[in-house]
Amino acid sequence: NAGVTQTPKFQVLKTGQSMTLQCAQDMNHEYMSWYRQDPGMGLRLIHYSVGAGITDQGEVPNGYNVSRSTTEDFPLRLLSAAPSQTSVYFCASSYFPGQGESEQFFGPGTRLTVL
Amino acid sequence: EDQVTQSPEALRLQEGESSSLNCSYTVSGLRGLFWYRQDPGKGPEFLFTLYSAGEEKEKERLKATLTKKESFLHITAPKPEDSATYLCAVYPLNYQLIWGAGTKLIIKP
Repeated sequence: NAGVTQTPKFQVLKTGQSMTLQCAQDMNHEYMSWYRQDPGMGLRLIHYSVGAGITDQGEVPNGYNVSRSTTEDFPLRLLSAAPSQTSVYFCASSYFPGQGESEQFFGPGTRLTVL
Repeated sequence: EDQVTQSPEALRLQEGESSSLNCSYTVSGLRGLFWYRQDPGKGPEFLFTLYSAGEEKEKERLKATLTKKESFLHITAPKPEDSATYLCAVYPLNYQLIWGAGTKLIIKP
């Protein structure tokens, strides 16, 4: 199993550009989520999905879109990049919370800089 | 408001010097509390899940405990390779994980 994979690992954007961060998992997990991690702050939930075709907003959704067309893939789209979106982005997956072991498995992260 | 607070922010210990990290939480119904380890430049790595007050789990030099208001991660006789940031997270009723800011642990040889 590859676990959770993320691409790219590093990205530099100019203000106003758009891009998609890719995330895939091969563990047949229903629950997938995107976080951003900033220095001195905890992981903050951007969007999450409880299954294909179902997504919802987390704590900090503004400026980001997601979709979930398959169980395996959960891409995160930045619509118009802003310097405030400079951060490290993590994708995670798990079995549905509350149904047995639901610890999240994390990808290696994408380090994004917006100039 | 659901929230998780970890203390201290940073902890420096000598090799072999045991100590504890704290995670205090206020949530509208606890469905689970998680401890993770995060090394620089990597994603968090799962350590423990605790579900109810009084529960304890151990793994090598680490032991996690849970009360109704907080959780402790006890580190016994730590080694330099235990140096990392330790993260705590809780699942409230709405199934959106809430994360603490973490404790950066440094073990000096």
